[in-house]
Parts: sequence; C-alpha cells; structure tokens
Amino acid sequence: QQPVQSPQAVILREGEDAVINCSSSKALYSVHWYRQKHGEAPVFLMILLKGGEQKGHDKISASFNEKKQQSSLYLTASQLSYSGTYFCGTGGGNAGGTSYGKLTFGQGTILTVHP
Amino acid sequence: GAVVSQHPSRVICKSGTSVKIECRSLDFQATTMFWYRQFPKQSLMLMATSNEGSKATYEQGVEKDKFLINHASLTLSTLTVTSAHPEDSSFYICSARDRGWGDSPLHFGNGTRLTVT
Repeated sequence: QQPVQSPQAVILREGEDAVINCSSSKALYSVHWYRQKHGEAPVFLMILLKGGEQKGHDKISASFNEKKQQSSLYLTASQLSYSGTYFCGTGGGNAGGTSYGKLTFGQGTILTVHP
Repeated sequence: GAVVSQHPSRVICKSGTSVKIECRSLDFQATTMFWYRQFPKQSLMLMATSNEGSKATYEQGVEKDKFLINHASLTLSTLTVTSAHPEDSSFYICSARDRGWGDSPLHFGNGTRLTVT
C-alpha cells in the first residue's frame, strides 16, 4: 500500500522552513526518507523505526508518531541544495517470503528553493 | 562504501528489440536487489525483487515474461526488457541493501534511461 505524501509541491526562498508529511492507514515497520534530483538516483536521508522517534542531522530532521502511521520531514533554513523531490518509503520489515525488505514509495514532494 | 553501479545509463532501442540492464553491488554482497521504474514526475514504482539463486518476485501487474530478471551472483542482477515498445520507455533504477533489512537504507544505482523508438 502506497503511503500518502503532502504537500505535492513546496516553493521556498532560501532560509525558509518546510515540512513534508508521509501517512499510512496502517502501522509501519519503518519509514525511510530520500531526496532525488532531476535525472539522478535517490539519495538516502534517514530511517525511523520507533514510534515517537525523532532524529536529524544538520538542518534536516524527521519524526515518527507514536502509532507509527505518520512521519514528517523538517527542513530548516533551507538552502538551494535542498531542491529536489522528496520521497518517503515504507515497509522493509522481515515479513517473510522472498520480497521482504522492499520499500513502497510515496508519490513524492517537489521542493524548490529560490535565492 | 555501499556503491551500486548500473549500466548503461542511457539506451535507445528500436521497437521489438530487447535491452539488458546490469546492476552491480561494487563493495558488498546483495542476496536481494530491487528494480524500480519511474515515469517523468512520478514516484518510484517497485517492479520486482531479485533474489540470488532463485526466481524473482514480481509486483502485481508487472509482466514477468516481458521483464526478465536474473540474479546469478551475489553482486550482479540483470533486467532484460524483451520486445520493447514505446510505452516501456522509462527510467529504470536498481537498488540494494548492504546489511540488514528494514533498518538499513537502500542504495540506488544511477538509473538507466530507456527510450524505445
């Protein structure tokens, strides 16, 4: 089941903040966040595993709610390099079978940072 | 570390021909690799899970006879698009984990832009 991301697009000026949300109708094993620039491969940002968890590095952080059904990515004091499409990926647990470990990605959030 | 190499980066082929895309884990072994397809401005859609030494597991709606996957070694998975048609034109990306399962990140190859004329 594909997680739902919001908003679909965000336009910022350098230094502004943004929040991107990722929701699921059922509890998740984990949430992964990736950023993809046009024509390139997605780049890993972070993983959250525990309900109530918050983590981050530099000015990018994320949270996972207690019920493990929603995650938010926080971009603080945005820089031009933050521009790209952000995807959350869900799943990845040891569900058994030959497809365990796979991720299902949300539809993406296009972030554009202007000078 | 944890580098995934994908080749070729771009390929143009004629309708009806087959195209093979290679995905290699350069500095780790991957018993499982994942193949995604991405249309312009859309999400990454999982096509199949490639399992070393066994048959691939395809997602619902993905034709296994059209998208042949072979995972012959712990560092190489290949995706062959057979009898390609213009609607197969897309960005194909492979990925793998260097450890663990859900608690470790996916490492992506740089993708292959396939154009079928």
